[in-house]
Amino acid sequence: SNELTQPPSVSVSPGQTARITCSGDALPKQYGHWYQQKPGQAPVMVIYKDSERPSGIPERFSGSSSGTTVTLTISGVQAEDEADYYCQSADSSSSYVVFGGGTKLTVL
Amino acid sequence: QITLKESGPTLVKPTQTLTLTCTFSGFSFSTSGVGVGWIRQPPGKALEWLAVIYWGDDIRYGPSLKSRLTITKDTSKNQVVLKMTNMDPVDTATYFCAHSRIHYNDVSTYYYFDYWGQGTLVTVSS
Repeated sequence: SNELTQPPSVSVSPGQTARITCSGDALPKQYGHWYQQKPGQAPVMVIYKDSERPSGIPERFSGSSSGTTVTLTISGVQAEDEADYYCQSADSSSSYVVFGGGTKLTVL
Repeated sequence: QITLKESGPTLVKPTQTLTLTCTFSGFSFSTSGVGVGWIRQPPGKALEWLAVIYWGDDIRYGPSLKSRLTITKDTSKNQVVLKMTNMDPVDTATYFCAHSRIHYNDVSTYYYFDYWGQGTLVTVSS
């Protein structure tokens, strides 16, 4: 399968650590990338190549990869981090792009 | 500074062909590894990738909609155009264009979207 599976929702209290997972059979061979989307706005890339952080993205955002799962970690979650998060990768043959179903992060 | 902006009709009728234009600045297709892709998002739903075109005319389409899509680029105008035929109400969505980078290595090819346009809402209704 070339699908990417994310949990529909994750909830954390301010200051805690949020972890959002993304699973897919192609991930051992493909990099995972992460996007943050706030209501009514375009997505913003927060992590690329599993763990690289674009310029301007806070250091509390980090990424990791292990086997068929990539994980977005937000340390010291802030209220402004409440958003939908999407993982993205490619199929095992690198022919096309795949997005996960998205995870709604709620900051309690 | 990279910017992208989508333009096109806000309302199309079923069976019509949708034509969307992405006008960009801050980069050009003369740069290796650079491309522009289209992604859509139905109201309240997830992102769905549609198509991408790269500097060397490397073109890729999402498998589920491939038969309905055509993506082209006009390097003189800094524009990328997406055409989607036979529109249906289920195609109602916000359509985004985005700057993409493609990288080739020994193991695989990978690509991502690092700058996005604001999106344009397209409604399909008679």
